[in-house]
Amino acid sequence: AQKVTQAQTEISVVEKEDVTLDCVYETRDTTYYLFWYKQPPSGELVFLIRRNSFDEQNEISGRYSWNFQKSTSSFNFTITASQVVDSAVYFCALSVAHSTSGTYKYIFGTGTRLKVLA
Amino acid sequence: NAGVTQTPKFRVLKTGQSMTLLCAQDMNHEYMYWYRQDPGMGLRLIHYSVGEGTTAKGEVPDGYNVSRLKKQNFLLGLESAAPSQTSVYFCASSYRQVSEKLFFGSGTQLSVL
Repeated sequence: AQKVTQAQTEISVVEKEDVTLDCVYETRDTTYYLFWYKQPPSGELVFLIRRNSFDEQNEISGRYSWNFQKSTSSFNFTITASQVVDSAVYFCALSVAHSTSGTYKYIFGTGTRLKVLA
Repeated sequence: NAGVTQTPKFRVLKTGQSMTLLCAQDMNHEYMYWYRQDPGMGLRLIHYSVGEGTTAKGEVPDGYNVSRLKKQNFLLGLESAAPSQTSVYFCASSYRQVSEKLFFGSGTQLSVL
């Protein structure tokens, strides 16, 4: 069975602090994809990043960075110098293909609410 | 580009009433999904469709029905609403690959009294 765990329910930081959101996943599949989505107060989920199971390179995009480690089944997300606009709920997700149906399955974590205080 | 459009944005129902939520996408996506979001439970898949004319059950399908008569539309129906169906509903769509990201609608806040 597949599972995504985001143990941090809510995090509060002061503006300009760095913050890391944790994501731990479980799957026996060798091919899978990991995602992060942001849900701002407006409600619509927005895609942030995708990483496949064969690519363990960390990625940096502006103030955002992602650390993918297969050895610990983790795909953590760090925001450097946080800003009030980063306040949102962040979801980690796992996508794996069904072995027989040809379709695929998307599993979301329960989300981490980040509050950045001015 | 409209992307994924959900209607209505808000709705209040009385127990036992029925309603249909409409999802439309203009990206020619094969896959479409309905999720519900409840506090502390993340996003749970209700039903999904892998193409026009097809539907399948997700994680929490009871009390809901769906139809995909046209590729661009995915309807979610509640035949007899219950207070337990009070939630925020999201429609999403994607291309037909395990690697593809989901595109989400803006959500529907449904309250069942």
